[in-house]
Amino acid sequence: GNSVTQMEGPVTLSEEAFLTINCTYTATGYPSLFWYVQYPGEGLQLLLKATKADDKGSNKGFEATYRKETTSFHLEKGSVQVSDSAVYFCALPTYSGGGADGLTFGKGTHLIIQP
Amino acid sequence: DADVTQTPRNRITKTGKRIMLECSQTKGHDRMYWYRQDPGLGLRLIYYSFDVKDINKGEISDGYSVSRQAQAKFSLSLESAIPNQTALYFCATSEPGKNIQYFGAGTRLSVL
Repeated sequence: GNSVTQMEGPVTLSEEAFLTINCTYTATGYPSLFWYVQYPGEGLQLLLKATKADDKGSNKGFEATYRKETTSFHLEKGSVQVSDSAVYFCALPTYSGGGADGLTFGKGTHLIIQP
Repeated sequence: DADVTQTPRNRITKTGKRIMLECSQTKGHDRMYWYRQDPGLGLRLIYYSFDVKDINKGEISDGYSVSRQAQAKFSLSLESAIPNQTALYFCATSEPGKNIQYFGAGTRLSVL
């Protein structure tokens, strides 16, 4: 099956700093790629997605570009806020056939934003 | 109201006890999933179901069983709980052909 590796945390930044969370993947073909976010005490929710190479997903000021040359899907935000403190997961389908058999998640990156 | 509801939210049990975690959804999705989350390990798939009669093992199904009582309900059972099953458990749903998953708020289980 497909796999994903993301940088481990915790990552601690000051408010208004620039954020990058690295994610690289190994996959058959070009499956959709996702970033999920988990706020304290809550389940995961979809933050953004990209469905094909060179697509850019964006939401809430976060962006990630599907780069097949480097097999990467790094998450970026230009100016983080305290409310962005959460755990971020990079994910892709476990199998690329589109059968929705489940997602494979990275280990998660805990982001802490200090005022 | 939440689209994916898990009960209970927290549970403490003892080694050897049988326990059931429940999940219900109002999204009308056919596909449902159970994951466990452990610190430093991310989420791992336990079981998934494409419809009431189609249930499949995931990456870490040993020690767990599931029941799909209806399209909207998918339960996870630990027949004889052990301490290394202490974790945060998530239920999720998705639509056929789409990989976007919708998660419940989770059940925190402690096995003493």
